[in-house]
Amino acid sequence: GAVVSQHPSRVICKSGTSVKIECRSLDFQATTMFWYRQFPKQSLMLMATSNEGSKATYEQGVEKDKFLINHASLTLSTLTVTSAHPEDSSFYICSARVRQLGYTFGSGTRLTVV
Amino acid sequence: LAKTTQPISMDSYEGQEVNITCSHNNIATNDYITWYQQFPSQGPRFIIQGYKTKVTNEVASLFIPADRKSSTLSLPRVSLSDTAVYYCLVGPRVRGYQKVTFGTGTKLQVIP
Repeated sequence: GAVVSQHPSRVICKSGTSVKIECRSLDFQATTMFWYRQFPKQSLMLMATSNEGSKATYEQGVEKDKFLINHASLTLSTLTVTSAHPEDSSFYICSARVRQLGYTFGSGTRLTVV
Repeated sequence: LAKTTQPISMDSYEGQEVNITCSHNNIATNDYITWYQQFPSQGPRFIIQGYKTKVTNEVASLFIPADRKSSTLSLPRVSLSDTAVYYCLVGPRVRGYQKVTFGTGTKLQVIP
């Protein structure tokens, strides 16, 4: 139980375009989801916290207008990287808190901007 | 949030027991200790969680001393497939949410 499904697993896009990443909680309701970014050989860096039905909370240094987060339902949160540039190429991971267990993570999305 | 400190990397031969220690000197009374495993290009995966003394499941054991300022993840008889990064996280297990900050993790390399 407590599975978070993340799609796509990898995406290549042209510089200047936008990319949407979806995370769905399959067998539970996630009122809160977390979005992380991970560069090669580095740890996960928290980008933002999304709350169902309200605005996301962004970490310091993360551009709100560039990384749009929507959490319209209890089972779906999306991250849209707008006007992507090569420096946005990274591994993006979502997670949801699961009571008693801590957190469950999506499988991640490898974004490559060319 | 309690800060954690782990060794950056460890090497081990196949079949050996591996112990990875995490320091969390400012752990709070209601904090739990959770360990995650991450393979390249995958999201972290829950391994084990504990509050005090010893916890054991089918894949690992977690040892937590009385002062709870550190914890040790023990992996029995590691195999090549255990090569991964292991993260120690400390935080409360409460209603609502608590954002989690990842430390550097420990990169375990299992050698044949």
